[in-house]
Amino acid sequence: NAGVTQTPKFRVLKTGQSMTLLCAQDMNHEYMYWYRQDPGMGLRLIHYSVGEGTTAKGEVPDGYNVSRLKKQNFLLGLESAAPSQTSVYFCASSYRNEGSSYNEQFFGPGTRLTVL
Amino acid sequence: KQEVTQIPAALSVPEGENLVLNCSFTDSAIYNLQWFRQDPGKGLTSLLLIQSSQREQTSGRLNASLDKSSGRSTLYIAASQPGDSATYLCAVRASGSRLTFGEGTQLTVNP
Repeated sequence: NAGVTQTPKFRVLKTGQSMTLLCAQDMNHEYMYWYRQDPGMGLRLIHYSVGEGTTAKGEVPDGYNVSRLKKQNFLLGLESAAPSQTSVYFCASSYRNEGSSYNEQFFGPGTRLTVL
Repeated sequence: KQEVTQIPAALSVPEGENLVLNCSFTDSAIYNLQWFRQDPGKGLTSLLLIQSSQREQTSGRLNASLDKSSGRSTLYIAASQPGDSATYLCAVRASGSRLTFGEGTQLTVNP
């Protein structure tokens, strides 16, 4: 099993450009998440999905869009990149256990994005 | 709003020492608490998951405890090794599916 994979690993964008980050998991997890990690801010949830075809906003959703067309994939889009979106982006996935105490999240290796 | 605090922010110890990392959270209504390890430039590796009904979990030289009523968790590392050097993050899951993370403790174990 590859677990959670992310593409690309690094990217440099100019302000106003758009891009899509791809997350894939092969664990048949229902839930998937996108986080960003910034110095002094910790990891913050951007958007998440509780199943194919569904998405929901997290703590910092502005400037991002997501799609979950297939259960194994979760896409994060930046329509018009801004320097404030320079960050490390992590994808995670977990089993469907809403309301249960068991919900271990597994993380991908991250994508380092720089917006100039 | 749930807030998670980790103390200390950084810790440097000699090899072989036993150590404790602390995590506190403001809302005790949690489903579980998870400890992660993050190496520089890498993703997060899950170390231990403690369910809300549990008091502790152990894995090898790691032991994590949870006191939900006081909003505290500790990660105990026995006989530390240079390979344990990393940033350790704790995260709590409250309502919904989201995790709230602390900012981490950066651990350095000196040979």
